[in-house]
Amino acid sequence: DQQVKQNSPSLSVQEGRISILNCDYTNSMFDYFLWYKKYPAEGPTFLISISSIKDKNEDGRFTVFLNKSAKHLSLHIVPSQPGDSAVYFCAASARGNNDMRFGAGTRLTVKP
Amino acid sequence: EPEVTQTPSHQVTQMGQEVILRCVPISNHLYFYWYRQILGQKVEFLVSFYNNEISEKSEIFDDQFSVERPDGSNFTLKIRSTKLEDSAMYFCASMRVSYNEQFFGPGTRLTVL
Repeated sequence: DQQVKQNSPSLSVQEGRISILNCDYTNSMFDYFLWYKKYPAEGPTFLISISSIKDKNEDGRFTVFLNKSAKHLSLHIVPSQPGDSAVYFCAASARGNNDMRFGAGTRLTVKP
Repeated sequence: EPEVTQTPSHQVTQMGQEVILRCVPISNHLYFYWYRQILGQKVEFLVSFYNNEISEKSEIFDDQFSVERPDGSNFTLKIRSTKLEDSAMYFCASMRVSYNEQFFGPGTRLTVL
């Protein structure tokens, strides 16, 4: 099942700089997208979401951008902090369909 | 802040044995889910549950799996006859209303020997 893809397994950035995590999807029925953060030995924690009627959603240091024509979304973290180091999962769902499809995750490391 | 809880945190079982993984979703949530994550792989959807019945299930969720909400608070995943490849982290999640974010529990690590 490759409906949601995160092609970068890892990303390393310097503290204070921008982190950009990317996600692509193939299912045109997806209309709600979420980012989750996961620390080892914990469950995924919801970060931010965006519905397909918007192309940007911002919450503090986190901004999600959606490009529907490209079936692409990205998560920007500015400024990055060492505590942001975790695995980030992109997820997508379609209205009327209660399951959620996850990408493989990107491990972000923010170096002090 | 309300949270999803799961027990046990780690379950070790012999191949062929039955296991029951337990979850207590957030109390006013209406939608319940099970996911699994095999070590080093992605989080995979197993099943969703709403209004006391399965609403969706993946191809992974075969006849060996069942879910139940035996009372107003618990949500369980039963694996009838475990296989080695069932070894994974199993996450429970709940959602208050449709088309919203899901809240995940800390997971149960299942090890099948």
